[in-house]
Amino acid sequence: AQSVAQPEDQVNVAEGNPLTVKCTYSVSGNPYLFWYVQYPNRGLQFLLKYITGDNLVKGSYGFEAEFNKSQTSFHLKKPSALVSDSALYFCAVRDPRNSGNTPLVFGKGTRLSVIA
Amino acid sequence: KAGVTQTPRYLIKTRGQQVTLSCSPISGHRSVSWYQQTPGQGLQFLFEYFSETQRNKGNFPGRFSGRQFSNSRSEMNVSTLELGDSALYLCASSLGLTDTYEQYFGPGTRLTVT
Repeated sequence: AQSVAQPEDQVNVAEGNPLTVKCTYSVSGNPYLFWYVQYPNRGLQFLLKYITGDNLVKGSYGFEAEFNKSQTSFHLKKPSALVSDSALYFCAVRDPRNSGNTPLVFGKGTRLSVIA
Repeated sequence: KAGVTQTPRYLIKTRGQQVTLSCSPISGHRSVSWYQQTPGQGLQFLFEYFSETQRNKGNFPGRFSGRQFSNSRSEMNVSTLELGDSALYLCASSLGLTDTYEQYFGPGTRLTVT
């Protein structure tokens, strides 16, 4: 069965410093991977996705993520954090080989706090 | 283009009642998914519909049901409400199957069961 883990409930970073939000997954084959962000009292917003191709994926608001098959990871990164990046971040995975029977699975979420 | 809309935004119900939540996807989107979000359990998948057909269903009791109409609008119903059903219910639409297409989320319906 597919699963995704976000090992950190909370990540704190100073404004201007690089940030990393970690995500690891478990899928039998090659996964489809997504990152979403949720601001307070809002629904989730799509940031980026990896379907195939280049392992480094660039997304919205200066975020990027690197697909690492050997480490089964898809960490979200940004070179310079902004206070406005403070939000709840979700990683999600889908197994394309079994997509008709299994839905998109979300991680528990990581709360990012950027301190001025 | 208008985003995903959900009605109502807030709802207070009594245990044992039933509730119907509505979701209007982005125009042209054919896939609608529903999720339950709680502080303790995170984001739990409820249903996924594509072209009026339920494609996937999460591990929720039969009290939770849903449907999708020909115009892609979707509803979910929860019967015999329990206190534990209090949550933010999120609807998301996508252009195609959620395998590769990103989802666009509505603001959610905050359900409180007393």
